[in-house]
Formats: sequence, C-alpha cells, structure tokens
Amino acid sequence: TQLLEQSPQFLSIQEGENLTVYCNSSSVFSSLQWYRQEPGEGPVLLVTVVTGGEVKKLKRLTFQFGDARKDSSLHITAAQPGDTGLYLCAGDQVGTSYDKVIFGPGTSLSVIP
Amino acid sequence: ETGVTQTPRHLVMGMTNKKSLKCEQHLGHNAMYWYKQSAKKPLELMFVYNFKEQTENNSVPSRFSPECPNSSHLFLHLHTLQPEDSALYLCASSQAIGGRRTGELFFGEGSRLTVL
Repeated sequence: TQLLEQSPQFLSIQEGENLTVYCNSSSVFSSLQWYRQEPGEGPVLLVTVVTGGEVKKLKRLTFQFGDARKDSSLHITAAQPGDTGLYLCAGDQVGTSYDKVIFGPGTSLSVIP
Repeated sequence: ETGVTQTPRHLVMGMTNKKSLKCEQHLGHNAMYWYKQSAKKPLELMFVYNFKEQTENNSVPSRFSPECPNSSHLFLHLHTLQPEDSALYLCASSQAIGGRRTGELFFGEGSRLTVL
C-alpha cells in the first residue's frame, strides 16, 4: 500500500510570513495533486504536477514535484488569512486499472492577521 | 457553487436509524465517488461508479450501501451505523475514459454525519 506523509501536521503563522509544507512517499506516483479544504467545505484542486522536477506557480503559491516523483512541496509567499485551510496532497498510483488516488493526512494552516 | 451538490449537509442519527445521503453532479461527468474523511485520517475511498457500474468497493462494511441510478446521481444508504462511522462523507465526480480517471476530482461540500 502506497502512503503519503505530510509535514508539518499543523502550522500557525502570522500574516506576511512565508511557509513550506511537504508531501512525501516511498513510492512513485504518475502525478500528484494539491487541494485546499476550508472548514465545512469539500477539497478544491489547486494544481496537478506530472513531470519530475516540475515547478508550477499559482500567484503566491509555488508547487514543486520531486525529480523521482516521490515527493512534493508547496511554498506560500506572504501568507494571508485567506490561505487558512487544510492542504491535502494526493497521488495517482502507478500501474493500476482504475482510479487509485491516495490522499495524505493534510497540513492544517492557520494564518493569523 | 462547485457543480457537485450533497444533501443533507448535516445528519444526526441513532444506531438503529436508516438514512440516505444524496449527491448530484451537474458537470457532465461519468464517474462518481464516495469518500470518508475522519478526524486526523486521510480521505478514504469507499466506492467508485463508472457509467453507473460499481467498479470499486474498498472493503466497506455492508451497513453502507451505495446506489447510482444514473451518471448524475449517487446515494449512500446508511443503516445500523456505529458511532465510529461519524465522519464527513464527501462525494466527488470526474471524467473517465476506458475505466481511468482523465480529469480532476470535483468534490461536493460534504455531509457531516454524527451517529449517536
């Protein structure tokens, strides 16, 4: 069974600070997604990374997929209270017949004004 | 408006009750999913339906019974649940070709279930 680990589990920072959260696995994924889930809502897709070493930017968010496609990071610059939420990474398993998305446990981010 | 609507948003039920969760997607997708989200645990895939046919059942207890009458609607029938079944139940949909998901998962807002 492939597992995804995320760190840190919880993060509380002041508005304006930078932060990085990590998603790690011992297994290779064909692609990896990052979602943000706000309290009382379902997860919303932020980005999908497919190629090893790929870097994608979404405004103040920078996503990187590891060269070996086993890990990923999300960096937020100048965090704002609106960034508060649960950040989930999810990986598509390699070599399965159907949808086998594995989710990590998430990083709960709180940005204090 | 996410395109995937779940009702009810909140449900409290006793262990002997029978209730159902409903999901409807307006995105034209052909695959629908039920996920369970418990505190401090990763999202767990419960069921997958592709063109109304169940293609995945991840060892889910029989007290959870899914139903997919068409590609836009998905139900989760609940009966004789246990307190440990209390969780957020998320419905999702996606496009699929040849049995494989080809696009992103779109989630509903979830149904928060409490079993007393």
